Amino acid sequence: QITLKESGPTLVKPTQTLTLTCTFSGFSLSTTGVGVGWIRQPPGKALEWLAVVFWHDDKRYSPSLTGRLSITKDTSKNQVVLTVTNVSPVDTATYYCVHFNDFSGDYWGQGMLVTVSS
Amino acid sequence: QTVVTQEPSLTVSPGGTVTLTCASSTGAVTSGNYPNWFQQKPGQVPRALIYRTSNKHSWTPARFSGSLLGDKAALTLSGVQPEDEAEYYCLLYYGGSRVFGGGTKLTVL
Repeated sequence: QITLKESGPTLVKPTQTLTLTCTFSGFSLSTTGVGVGWIRQPPGKALEWLAVVFWHDDKRYSPSLTGRLSITKDTSKNQVVLTVTNVSPVDTATYYCVHFNDFSGDYWGQGMLVTVSS
Repeated sequence: QTVVTQEPSLTVSPGGTVTLTCASSTGAVTSGNYPNWFQQKPGQVPRALIYRTSNKHSWTPARFSGSLLGDKAALTLSGVQPEDEAEYYCLLYYGGSRVFGGGTKLTVL
């Protein structure tokens, strides 16, 4: 059974760096073809794809946020970490951690709401 | 900046058939964009429906199908049920990165 869970701060001040952790179970990020990514959704708005890291440590980022995002994996801990630098209120969103396999984002975490406010 | 466009809203009658589409600002959507489709109901986590254009997950109801229609990706619902009322998002692959469409709000009325 594949599960993913997001953790991190629920409130961040503008200009700070947001660090989110995805802790997963039921699969290994060392298995060929597997990736873990992040997707966010501002309140009342559409989904936005952010980043993904694959089993062989290939990393891909949203072109609109390149430079502000960093994604890393710790295979031994079954964790993936996303950092977002220089946050502003527009980064307020529910952040989802997602399992990718065979070009499919099939399993999602429950999501966590992060608010950027002073 | 790549833009993926979906119909903002569609309405369908129960038992009817409706097709949602997904267009790319870079040109025709192909199988190489590996279209994915997701369903999201209010207050819920998005649920994956279709991957690689037309492949269904084990939990995807048979009435959902994916295809390429002209220069777009398409999601067709046949025999629509009231519980299909939801927001639907497509996701396209662009050589590594991915972009979501703006979503289609489907009303069953």
